[in-house]
Amino acid sequence: GENVEQHPSTLSVQEGDSAVIKCTYSDSASNYFPWYKQELGKGPQLIIDIRSNVGEKKDQRIAVTLNKTAKHFSLHITETQPEDSAVYFCAAELTGGGNKLTFGTGTQLKVEL
Amino acid sequence: NAGVTQTPKFQVLKTGQSMTLQCAQDMNHEYMSWYRQDPGMGLRLIHYSVGAGITDQGEVPNGYNVSRSTTEDFPLRLLSAAPSQTSVYFCASRRILGEGEQFFGPGTRLTVL
Repeated sequence: GENVEQHPSTLSVQEGDSAVIKCTYSDSASNYFPWYKQELGKGPQLIIDIRSNVGEKKDQRIAVTLNKTAKHFSLHITETQPEDSAVYFCAAELTGGGNKLTFGTGTQLKVEL
Repeated sequence: NAGVTQTPKFQVLKTGQSMTLQCAQDMNHEYMSWYRQDPGMGLRLIHYSVGAGITDQGEVPNGYNVSRSTTEDFPLRLLSAAPSQTSVYFCASRRILGEGEQFFGPGTRLTVL
């Protein structure tokens, strides 16, 4: 089955700096890679996703890049703000194949003033 | 739409007690699932359902039962609670398995003494 590794487990940045979270996956057939943000006391919420036919996707201050050859994908947050502080999860899946999302272990991001 | 709802938000049990965690969604999603979240271990799949009357085991099913009598509801039952089941539990739904965004509920924090 799929295995997803996520690093780092904790990340502290100064407000305005960029943050990068990296994930690797094991199944080269996986073709869908979502990122979730979990605020304190709440459930995870999808913030951006990418499919294997795209190398990069942006949405305002967040972007995701995918390297299929190396089997890794990354979340980039620019101009970080205090409200970006949360736990971020990556996941991987082969869509349409009856497979389920496999999640990474999460990254606690803290944006310091 | 209320999305995915869960009750209760908090629960304390004694070892050996039983209880049911409730989950409901109003998006007419066929796929529903239960996860537990433990520090450093990410989101682990307990049980899932691809439609009313159909359930299957996930990664960590021992000690939990589920049923799916309607499209909307997917309760999780702990038959005899153990301290190892102390965790935060999330219900999630998706239009169908392997397709579309997965939505999470707000979670239930369970402590077993």
